[in-house]
Amino acid sequence: EDQVTQSPEALRLQEGESSSLNCSYTVSGLRGLFWYRQDPGKGPEFLFTLYSAGEEKEKERLKATLTKKESFLHITAPKPEDSATYLCAVQESGGTSYGKLTFGQGTILTVHP
Amino acid sequence: SQTIHQWPATLVQPVGSPLSLECTVEGTSNPNLYWYRQAAGRGLQLLFYSVGIGQISSEVPQNLSASRPQDRQFILSSKKLLLSDSGFYLCAWSVREGTEAFFGQGTRLTVV
Repeated sequence: EDQVTQSPEALRLQEGESSSLNCSYTVSGLRGLFWYRQDPGKGPEFLFTLYSAGEEKEKERLKATLTKKESFLHITAPKPEDSATYLCAVQESGGTSYGKLTFGQGTILTVHP
Repeated sequence: SQTIHQWPATLVQPVGSPLSLECTVEGTSNPNLYWYRQAAGRGLQLLFYSVGIGQISSEVPQNLSASRPQDRQFILSSKKLLLSDSGFYLCAWSVREGTEAFFGQGTRLTVV
């Protein structure tokens, strides 16, 4: 059974204080790893897709990396508007996955001014 | 461009009442469609997925059902709601396996 574990559960940063969020996963075969941002009361917003170990993606202050067992979401010089819950999800390879995602519990990020 | 519409945004229903949540996607054909539920402070749990009209697969046994009467319409239903059905329901779509899913804005369901 696919498992996704995110850490820490909550992270408080000062504006400009860089840090990383972790997503550890266990799948028989990885088709893709996805990062989402979710604001309170809203649906998740897609950020990145990573497909293979060593791959990196960047968007503004966010950078996602992938190894064979985990992914990191690095946040450089965060601003208060980066405050949100960040969700990690994996999609298993194989003919019957149909694009189904298995999500972690999320990391609640709070950036103080 | 593709958009996904989900309604209503919030819903308060008494125990034992029926439920119908609707989701429609615009700007794409034959999408994979999904219903997820998010309990407070937890990750998303997949409830149903559909790869075509009339094709529904259930991931977990529950008091809910889903239907896909048209290519870009996905409906989540219940005949009799339970207190445990309360939660945040999210509809999503993807082009195909291996690509990202895009989510609607969700429906906050409270069963009283």
